[in-house]
Amino acid sequence: DTGVSQNPRHKITKRGQNVTFRCDPISEHNRLYWYRQTLGQGPEFLTYFQNEAQLEKSRLLSDRFSAERPKGSFSTLEIQRTEQGDSAMYLCASSVTPSGARGNEKLFFGSGTQLSVL
Amino acid sequence: TQLLEQSPQFLSIQEGENLTVYCNSSSVFSSLQWYRQEPGEGPVLLVTVVTGGEVKKLKRLTFQFGDARKDSSLHITAAQPGDTGLYLCAGALTGTASKLTFGTGTRLQVTL
Repeated sequence: DTGVSQNPRHKITKRGQNVTFRCDPISEHNRLYWYRQTLGQGPEFLTYFQNEAQLEKSRLLSDRFSAERPKGSFSTLEIQRTEQGDSAMYLCASSVTPSGARGNEKLFFGSGTQLSVL
Repeated sequence: TQLLEQSPQFLSIQEGENLTVYCNSSSVFSSLQWYRQEPGEGPVLLVTVVTGGEVKKLKRLTFQFGDARKDSSLHITAAQPGDTGLYLCAGALTGTASKLTFGTGTRLQVTL
């Protein structure tokens, strides 16, 4: 059973450096989400894709953040000029477009990439 | 301002005890989900409730959605060490997860 895969699991970087994370969703899932989770908090929505189209971005996603899903399969999240406040767990989730019934979208999360900015 | 407030934030109990976790909001949600997250892992979906007053049971876990669809509760009967983890509620303002808002979480520890 291949679930959502995220790489790397951990990333330590110095302030000002660029980092890129990768997410491989469950193969038949057309939706892909990025969330950020800081210690002691629930995940916060960053952005999501339906196939290769980025349909929504949160206000939390500053200009230093960019996400892509070029072929509608894997996705990358890049953070440029990292800041200490970017330290968090970055979670990816995938799902299939709900068929219509309210609340029937099921998200499957990866194990996340833990980013530490020194 | 956190849209979904969970209480308590932390709970440490012994095996065999019962507990209830609450998830409250002033907003009305189309649906509400509960997740459990273990250290170093992503959240895992436990249940989705969509109808006001709905009650769902998953073995020893009972989930309830408030009549007004603004709040929810999770009750665990006879807790076991395997129930240890971070419990998160998440409300959808529409039917899609792009509007999913997570609660602050309740960290549960069950000891022998």
